Amino acid sequence: GAGVSQTPSNKVTEKGKYVELRCDPISGHTALYWYRQSLGQGPEFLIYFQGTGAADDSGLPNDRFFAVRPEGSVSTLKIQRTERGDSAVYLCASRIRSGSYTGELFFGEGSRLTVL
Amino acid sequence: GEDVEQSLFLSVREGDSSVINCTYTDSSSTYLYWYKQEPGAGLQLLTYIFSNMDMKQDQRLTVLLNKKDKHLSLRIADTQTGDSAIYFCAEIYTGGFKTIFGAGTRLFVKA
Repeated sequence: GAGVSQTPSNKVTEKGKYVELRCDPISGHTALYWYRQSLGQGPEFLIYFQGTGAADDSGLPNDRFFAVRPEGSVSTLKIQRTERGDSAVYLCASRIRSGSYTGELFFGEGSRLTVL
Repeated sequence: GEDVEQSLFLSVREGDSSVINCTYTDSSSTYLYWYKQEPGAGLQLLTYIFSNMDMKQDQRLTVLLNKKDKHLSLRIADTQTGDSAIYFCAEIYTGGFKTIFGAGTRLFVKA
């Protein structure tokens, strides 16, 4: 697609439930990032994929959070046993790996997660 | 450690210049960025500067980089009401390839 696409745009769930958030990056972008943005804060790094593999998952807050990118394109962020503190906007971004490289990230509009 | 700090709010009158400041910690960052986030929209790259530069000008935008003090600033000349947004300073952390963002400066432009 023309831009980074994230679904759902809004998700309301109950504490303890399982949630999946999907990201479809810009075609040809090999690097994919997940960030979390809480109200009034900047994006907080969660995980970075280069191709299919997680190159850096140091930002995942705990083992309830997991992300996959099985074919090197679409990625899914999975949150188990959701807690109220997980409520935030989850941002996905992609980046071209080769060529004229400035490190620019292209962001989707985010998935707003509310845990009741 | 990785940290990018910036002031949270700035209010200016339309037509004035705005200056948004940022400090960062990774002295080996190759690129530093300013991203803009408008209400209800995703972040978009506004401008960037390579670490071997002191200044970059792009139309109404001027970026100044002081590597010694690890200080980055964004000046917006002739600020317009359409410039009202949140501006995020960011750096690529050279420990890997992740981009680290500040908390954002909310710019209010009064007509």
